[in-house]
Amino acid sequence: NAGVMQNPRHLVRRRGQEARLRCSPMKGHSHVYWYRQLPEEGLKFMVYLQKENIIDESGMPKERFSAEFPKEGPSILRIQQVVRGDSAAYFCASSPPSGVPNTEAFFGQGTRLTVV
Amino acid sequence: QQQVKQSPQSLIVQKGGISIINCAYENTAFDYFPWYQQFPGKGPALLIAIRPDVSEKKEGRFTISFNKSAKQFSLHIMDSQPGDSATYFCAASIYSNYQLIWGAGTKLIIKP
Repeated sequence: NAGVMQNPRHLVRRRGQEARLRCSPMKGHSHVYWYRQLPEEGLKFMVYLQKENIIDESGMPKERFSAEFPKEGPSILRIQQVVRGDSAAYFCASSPPSGVPNTEAFFGQGTRLTVV
Repeated sequence: QQQVKQSPQSLIVQKGGISIINCAYENTAFDYFPWYQQFPGKGPALLIAIRPDVSEKKEGRFTISFNKSAKQFSLHIMDSQPGDSATYFCAASIYSNYQLIWGAGTKLIIKP
């Protein structure tokens, strides 16, 4: 049973380009969470999705950021017109449809985005 | 009220010693306190967690101590080993809520 798979592991983008980060949840998991980790800081919640639904995007910046989790395929975190401040590690976690999310969420290895 | 403050920022401990990392929270509604371990280049992994109905929880060499009145909790790693070298994060939330509030992390180095 593969864990949470994120790709790419490292992504370099020039200012103004778009960044697309992918997350495939663990088998049997239908809930996906995205977190951002700035250097020397803890993770900050961004968005919680279930298949085809955004449940909570309260941690997501209002502009340039969007997320989706289609019926088929991975969850995508999209950052348009990236700026240097978007450089961070982005982690995805997934949990099963029942139970308590926090105790049963597993994290992927993250995508490290560098904006140059 | 949503903050979780973690200390120290970094910690060096001799092999076989006890590593202690502390966290303090503000929101009295929090009732779930996990610790995560993160190795370089990896995602965080749940290590151990506690709820406020107990003051201590032990799993192998890892122990969480919880002080509800002081709104503090700590991670103790007994007989610390070089393989324990990692960054440790405390977090807090309402148990049924998916939104964890994370501490800033402690980089632990165990010297052989």
